[in-house]
Amino acid sequence: KQEVTQIPAALSVPEGENLVLNCSFTDSAIYNLQWFRQDPGKGLTSLLLIQSSQREQTSGRLNASLDKSSGRSTLYIAASQPGDSATYLCAVSPKAGTALIFGKGTTLSVSS
Amino acid sequence: GAVVSQHPSWVICKSGTSVKIECRSLDFQATTMFWYRQFPKQSLMLMATSNEGSKATYEQGVEKDKFLINHASLTLSTLTVTSAHPEDSSFYICSASKVSPYNSPLHFGNGTRLTVT
Repeated sequence: KQEVTQIPAALSVPEGENLVLNCSFTDSAIYNLQWFRQDPGKGLTSLLLIQSSQREQTSGRLNASLDKSSGRSTLYIAASQPGDSATYLCAVSPKAGTALIFGKGTTLSVSS
Repeated sequence: GAVVSQHPSWVICKSGTSVKIECRSLDFQATTMFWYRQFPKQSLMLMATSNEGSKATYEQGVEKDKFLINHASLTLSTLTVTSAHPEDSSFYICSASKVSPYNSPLHFGNGTRLTVT
């Protein structure tokens, strides 16, 4: 059974710092991996999608990497801002068109 | 981009009543929709997979008679929480999978906060 783990559960950093969020999954047979942002009481915003054949994806200050063989993904946030404060969720898709399996998330707080 | 609309965004109901939550794909056809539940500080847990025109598939431990799912068209799925109790209070969120291209990312609604008093 696929399990997704995110470390750390919470992280507090001052504005401007670069940071890394970690995600690991137990079954390397995945179709793709997504990183989401969730603000308190809100829905999900998709940040980056990495197909299983890809190693990384970039969008602005965000960079996500995928090492499928070791079951790991990282989300790198450069020059963090207070507006980045949110919970970041990692999710894997076992097959095309199937439901995502989520980690518990990392709650990020960026202070000004 | 693909938009999934979920309604209502929040609802408060009395114990014993039923609540219906709608999930619509506004600009694409969705063969499959997924319903998740999220308790405070917990991850999103899949409740059921809803396929247009057929019965939903429920995850282990989810009562199909309590959480009724209907997917009558390619753009609408509904989740009805029947005889709601306080322990059903949670954040419910749907996602939809495009018919084509098949490898499109899933698109999520904004969720529904259910509070049962």
